[in-house]
Amino acid sequence: GENVEQHPSTLSVQEGDSAVIKCTYSDSASNYFPWYKQELGKRPQLIIDIRSNVGEKKDQRIAVTLNKTAKHFSLHITETQPEDSAVYFCAASNVGDYKLSFGAGTTVTVRA
Amino acid sequence: SAVISQKPSRDICQRGTSLTIQCQVDSQVTMMFWYRQQPGQSLTLIATANQGSEATYESGFVIDKFPISRPNLTFSTLTVSNMSPEDSSIYLCSVESTGEQFFGPGTRLTVL
Repeated sequence: GENVEQHPSTLSVQEGDSAVIKCTYSDSASNYFPWYKQELGKRPQLIIDIRSNVGEKKDQRIAVTLNKTAKHFSLHITETQPEDSAVYFCAASNVGDYKLSFGAGTTVTVRA
Repeated sequence: SAVISQKPSRDICQRGTSLTIQCQVDSQVTMMFWYRQQPGQSLTLIATANQGSEATYESGFVIDKFPISRPNLTFSTLTVSNMSPEDSSIYLCSVESTGEQFFGPGTRLTVL
């Protein structure tokens, strides 16, 4: 099955700085890579996703990059704000079955 | 995106008993999933529940422990049977909609 590794496990940044979270996956058949943000006590919320036919996708302050050859993808948050503090999960799946395999999560703290 | 609700939102149960969790979606969806999130951990897929067919379980999860029903395209239930303290977790349903996956608010289960 798919194995997704995520680093770092915790990340503390100064407000206004950038945050980068990296994930690797093992199954070359995976072709869908979503990122979820989970605030304490809340459900995971989809913030951005990328499919294997695209190398980069951006949505305002959030961007995701994908390197299929190396089997890794990254989340970039620019101009971080206190409300970006949360746990972020990367995931991978095959578009055919949508069974998500999750990384272990990154706890991001934005210091004011 | 689909609007997903779950009942109950939380429960405290005695070991050896069973709890049925309901998941309701505001639109018809083909694919529904059940995940478990143990305290402070990532999400793990329990099973896929598609209407008109038996649920398919991931490695480590069995139908006798986690029976699932999917009577129609907007509703599913997950039962946690013969509970032990190790079953204390958040149980989340999710649905695939327009190529993306959205999560319900979760059911926080504590087994004493």
